[in-house]
Amino acid sequence: DVKVTQSSRYLVKRTGEKVFLECVQDMDHENMFWYRQDPGLGLRLIYFSYDVKMKEKGDIPEGYSVSREKKERFSLILESASTNQTSMYLCASSPQDLPRTDTQYFGPGTRLTVL
Amino acid sequence: GDSVTQMEGPVTLSEEAFLTINCTYTATGYPSLFWYVQYPGEGLQLLLKATKADDKGSNKGFEATYRKETTSFHLEKGSVQVSDSAVYFCALSPGNQFYFGTGTSLTVIP
Repeated sequence: DVKVTQSSRYLVKRTGEKVFLECVQDMDHENMFWYRQDPGLGLRLIYFSYDVKMKEKGDIPEGYSVSREKKERFSLILESASTNQTSMYLCASSPQDLPRTDTQYFGPGTRLTVL
Repeated sequence: GDSVTQMEGPVTLSEEAFLTINCTYTATGYPSLFWYVQYPGEGLQLLLKATKADDKGSNKGFEATYRKETTSFHLEKGSVQVSDSAVYFCALSPGNQFYFGTGTSLTVIP
């Protein structure tokens, strides 16, 4: 079974703090994604990566950065957390063999609260 | 651009009722279509998918048919159970990127 794990299920941070969200997948997938999920807005793509050290901006990258130093690990960084970044953050991975039919595999999510 | 529109919820049904959640899409090419389900407190799981027109995806009693002529991928189940209570997301993938709908919350009451 594909397993995508996220470092924390719940996280509480203060405004201005630097926040790291970690995601690890164990299936040697090339593609990894970070989304945020908000009520009424569904999932919105923040950043994605097709390979190690490679990153692409998604629909809402402002206020975020990412790091992919190893194939299995994709980190989301909030440089200076703000209250409007309070959200559920979901990590996903997918293989690149057949991109058009890829299934994305999701982690359990991290619910981040910024006070 | 590519996008997905799904019916707004929440939807509340009695056990054994028939379920339909509507999903329509806009895409320039020939995307794959997906339904994902999110149970309370969990991440998203793939429920079913279809990769070309007229394909039917099915899983756990749920079905959806890829209709190119109506650009739709409606989710159906003949008899829902309490355990089906969850949020359902329609999604499309024209390539490596996914586009998700806003989600439809389903509550099934005994």
